[in-house]
Amino acid sequence: DGGITQSPKYLFRKEGQNVTLSCEQNLNHDAMYWYRQDPGQGLRLIYYSQIVNDFQKGDIAEGYSVSREKKESFPLTVTSAQKNPTAFYLCASSISYRGADTQYFGPGTRLTVL
Amino acid sequence: SQQGEEDPQALSIQEGENATMNCSYKTSINNLQWYRQNSGRGLVHLILIRSNEREKHSGRLRVTLDTSKKSSSLLITASRAADTASYFCATEGAQKLVFGQGTRLTINP
Repeated sequence: DGGITQSPKYLFRKEGQNVTLSCEQNLNHDAMYWYRQDPGQGLRLIYYSQIVNDFQKGDIAEGYSVSREKKESFPLTVTSAQKNPTAFYLCASSISYRGADTQYFGPGTRLTVL
Repeated sequence: SQQGEEDPQALSIQEGENATMNCSYKTSINNLQWYRQNSGRGLVHLILIRSNEREKHSGRLRVTLDTSKKSSSLLITASRAADTASYFCATEGAQKLVFGQGTRLTINP
């Protein structure tokens, strides 16, 4: 099956810890994205990658880091510098990086800071 | 930066009725997309309408676009309980896809 997967589904973190969220796609898409969603809210862009070995900050990049060493993978690290990390995190991909390209989403990871 | 704004924020209707959601945006666009999100899940792309199109259909979905008013509407006809979800419009802003805050649709049996 082609698609985009995220793991884990639920993640709990103690304050002061870094955690890494996994995102993998087998759609052969060049572009990948990370969004944050808070309850009852829309999506806010954290980071995006137009192509392997390249990534750019989105609207709320502070306290987060990413890497794009492989086309298929775009992991997101939530660092201890992120003041309010409890949220639902969504990864997406698109064929190419054009703002209007259709994006395909993973099932999400719900992060809770204890 | 918020490009698309959905209205209403929440909508509750009876099964079988039609549901209409609206999206307004600020700047010129090349196209507008609608996505659906079931509770606790990822978004699913529903339909894309280009700036030179006025109306587009996909099954029970009908999307209209009025570029002069910078607005779009999503109509779901003959609603079903399974249509219960949040619906988001997305527009291109600063070379990025920008999502609105969504309309939460509840279909009551």
